[in-house]
Amino acid sequence: DAGVTQSPTHLIKTRGQQVTLRCSPKSGHDTVSWYQQALGQGPQFIFQYYEEEERQRGNFPDRFSGHQFPNYSSELNVNALLLGDSALYLCASSFAGGPESYNEQFFGPGTRLTVL
Amino acid sequence: AQKVTQAQTEISVVEKEDVTLDCVYETRDTTYYLFWYKQPPSGELVFLIRRNSFDEQNEISGRYSWNFQKSTSSFNFTITASQVVDSAVYFCALIDPYNAGNMLTFGGGTRLMVKP
Repeated sequence: DAGVTQSPTHLIKTRGQQVTLRCSPKSGHDTVSWYQQALGQGPQFIFQYYEEEERQRGNFPDRFSGHQFPNYSSELNVNALLLGDSALYLCASSFAGGPESYNEQFFGPGTRLTVL
Repeated sequence: AQKVTQAQTEISVVEKEDVTLDCVYETRDTTYYLFWYKQPPSGELVFLIRRNSFDEQNEISGRYSWNFQKSTSSFNFTITASQVVDSAVYFCALIDPYNAGNMLTFGGGTRLMVKP
């Protein structure tokens, strides 16, 4: 049973460019959340997708956008990259259904984005 | 607003010592969920435990134990007889469903170094 997978592993971009990160959730999961983790800090919630719609959003600008596909996989897009966008981007999947919907979120290995 | 504080940024112990990682949380809600995650150098967040606000029983899993005290808004994590493989960054996190939906709010993390 494959866990959460993310691609690419590492990425280097320059300021002003655009980037797309990808995530495939754990089998049986239907909800995908994205987090940004700057060096030495805890992850910060970007947004969450469920049923192909953005269900919840953290305090991130509109330059950050996403998408969820019918197979539950997801993309995170960042436009007009800034130096401050350099971070580890983590994808987490979970199952929204059931009486205890606040179950653990399973995280992928992350994509390390460096903006020069 | 919800908040998680991990006052210890870094702890260093010698193998076989016991170590406690502190976590203090803030939420205005009576229903919430607390988590601990481990982040080894590879970067992937590994789920350790979930606790809901109505279950104050302490839990033990092998060398790991958790002490949940609502009176002090704390959810501390103890590793007994630490091992070098326990070296990682540990994050405490909170889900506050009514105020913040299904997003995880993380503390800043505690880096644990276990020396042989």
